[in-house]
Amino acid sequence: GQQLNQSPQSMFIQEGEDVSMNCTSSSIFNTWLWYKQDPGEGPVLLIALYKAGELTSNGRLTAQFGITRKDSFLNISASIPSDVGIYFCAGYANAGGTSYGKLTFGQGTILTVHP
Amino acid sequence: DTEVTQTPKHLVMGMTNKKSLKCEQHMGHRAMYWYKQKAKKPPELMFVYSYEKLSINESVPSRFSPECPNSSLLNLHLHALQPEDSALYLCASSQEILRVYEQYFGPGTRLTVT
Repeated sequence: GQQLNQSPQSMFIQEGEDVSMNCTSSSIFNTWLWYKQDPGEGPVLLIALYKAGELTSNGRLTAQFGITRKDSFLNISASIPSDVGIYFCAGYANAGGTSYGKLTFGQGTILTVHP
Repeated sequence: DTEVTQTPKHLVMGMTNKKSLKCEQHMGHRAMYWYKQKAKKPPELMFVYSYEKLSINESVPSRFSPECPNSSLLNLHLHALQPEDSALYLCASSQEILRVYEQYFGPGTRLTVT
């Protein structure tokens, strides 16, 4: 089946630093989503990307849909303590048939921000 | 409004109990999902409903029984669960199954099976 390789698995940074994480796949995806999950809560959608090469920002967050359609990255600028959490990438392949409705998730990046 | 609500927030049940998880959305979405999530792992898809019909069952054991009474509500009926079923159960919704681009998740129900 399809897999997303998300890296790094965890990051420990100082407040104010920039953060970068990415997801790669051997398969093509038509949509990339980035979620953040706080402990004990559900994932919250941060950014959605629909076109290869697309670069989208949401406040201090910037994400890009790779040209090859097999990767995506998320950058967080000037990190703050509330950025702590687990960040998941997710892709939708739109391959038809039994793939409809199924998102493929990366394994997550655990972000810790030291004040 | 991109809110999906879930009740209860926490649930503790014995292996012989029958309980239900509830999910509600008022975004007019026509696709709804149940996921199971273990600690620090990504969500695992269990079921997908599209236009109130079960579209995907990811080979989930029959002790989990989903129900979609109407386009806004999704239930997950639980019976004779095992301790390994303890997890965070997430509900999500999206516009429709063919436009699953943006799935919105609820806060989850933390289930403990004793």
